[in-house]
Amino acid sequence: DQQVKQNSPSLSVQEGRISILNCDYTNSMFDYFLWYKKYPAEGPTFLISISSIKDKNEDGRFTVFLNKSAKHLSLHIVPSQPGDSAVYFCAPYGGATNKLIFGTGTLLAVQP
Amino acid sequence: NAGVMQNPRHLVRRRGQEARLRCSPMKGHSHVYWYRQLPEEGLKFMVYLQKENIIDESGMPKERFSAEFPKEGPSILRIQQVVRGDSAAYFCASSPAGLAYEQYFGPGTRLTVT
Repeated sequence: DQQVKQNSPSLSVQEGRISILNCDYTNSMFDYFLWYKKYPAEGPTFLISISSIKDKNEDGRFTVFLNKSAKHLSLHIVPSQPGDSAVYFCAPYGGATNKLIFGTGTLLAVQP
Repeated sequence: NAGVMQNPRHLVRRRGQEARLRCSPMKGHSHVYWYRQLPEEGLKFMVYLQKENIIDESGMPKERFSAEFPKEGPSILRIQQVVRGDSAAYFCASSPAGLAYEQYFGPGTRLTVT
């Protein structure tokens, strides 16, 4: 059951540049889409979310874009900082369920 | 303003023993969720509970696993007769009533079965 795919297992970016993390999904009934950041040996930390009725949400250095026709969302981080180095998960919610469906994650490494 | 608390952080059990994982939700949150992360995988939903009620346990293995969220005290995830394949990180999340998509996670319990 691969409802959520993050096809890039890892991404390396220079400090100050833009990081773009991608996520594809199959269920058109999801209500919200969340991004979480996770450091090793810690729980996921909520970053930013977007409702299915919107196509963009911005919070400081983080912007999430939603393309419902393509069933695709992306997280933009600009400028990237070394402290952003972590695993990022997209996690859609809803579609008549009560759970978050996590992707497999993308390991972001921001080089100083 | 304490976040979601989980204990223990690390738990080692021999095959056949029982594991009990505890989760205290954030203050004011009445919904609790348990997720499991196996090595090299994303988090997978296990169960969703409200006080004294199991709302959705569609992700729970049919045998050996149970969860509760009593009127008083933390939520408990119980694994009986553990096997090596139960070794994983178990995360608890909580959300306020009416905002089930706003889930805040605890630090997790890392279970190792030897």
